[in-house]
Amino acid sequence: EPEVTQTPSHQVTQMGQEVILRCVPISNHLYFYWYRQILGQKVEFLVSFYNNEISEKSEIFDDQFSVERPDGSNFTLKIRSTKLEDSAMYFCASSELLGSSYNEQFFGPGTRLTVL
Amino acid sequence: GIQVEQSPPDLILQEGANSTLRCNFSDSVNNLQWFHQNPWGQLINLFYIPSGTKQNGRLSATTVATERYSLLYISSSQTTDSGVYFCAVEEDTGRRALTFGSGTRLQVQP
Repeated sequence: EPEVTQTPSHQVTQMGQEVILRCVPISNHLYFYWYRQILGQKVEFLVSFYNNEISEKSEIFDDQFSVERPDGSNFTLKIRSTKLEDSAMYFCASSELLGSSYNEQFFGPGTRLTVL
Repeated sequence: GIQVEQSPPDLILQEGANSTLRCNFSDSVNNLQWFHQNPWGQLINLFYIPSGTKQNGRLSATTVATERYSLLYISSSQTTDSGVYFCAVEEDTGRRALTFGSGTRLQVQP
């Protein structure tokens, strides 16, 4: 069964460093998302991406964040200068585009980011 | 934005017991999904259920969109059912982002 994959599974970085989290969405999906979950809290939406541009972003997704689809399979989230409060599990998700109503999202296993 | 409330926040069951988890949402939704977050942190799709009733083995779900709630039923619970159950909704506003509830933490004891 097709699935969303993410690498790395765990990343440890120093405050102020740049990190890139990588995702491979399900191959026939056209909508891509990033969500994050701070430990013990609920999952929060960051950004959605469609047709090579940001479709929607939350107020969490500030200038420190960027997304890119560098090739036909990968979807990346970059954090330019990490802060302690960026420590969280980051989930990538994807969905097909089947009309305007069907939007089941499938999540990857997550990347746990620890900022020291 | 839309509010999603889940109850109960915590639930402890003996193996074999049944349970009902509830998700209330404050506005009209296009879509609703139930997830199980396992102890490794993975979000597992359980149901895509914007309306109606679905069953998958020991799990079933019902969404009454007009009354803005959804229920997840777990029957004959097993220790592997332990984890956090999240409800997530997509607002009926054209946004495709999912808004998650705070989850129900389920612990099934042997």
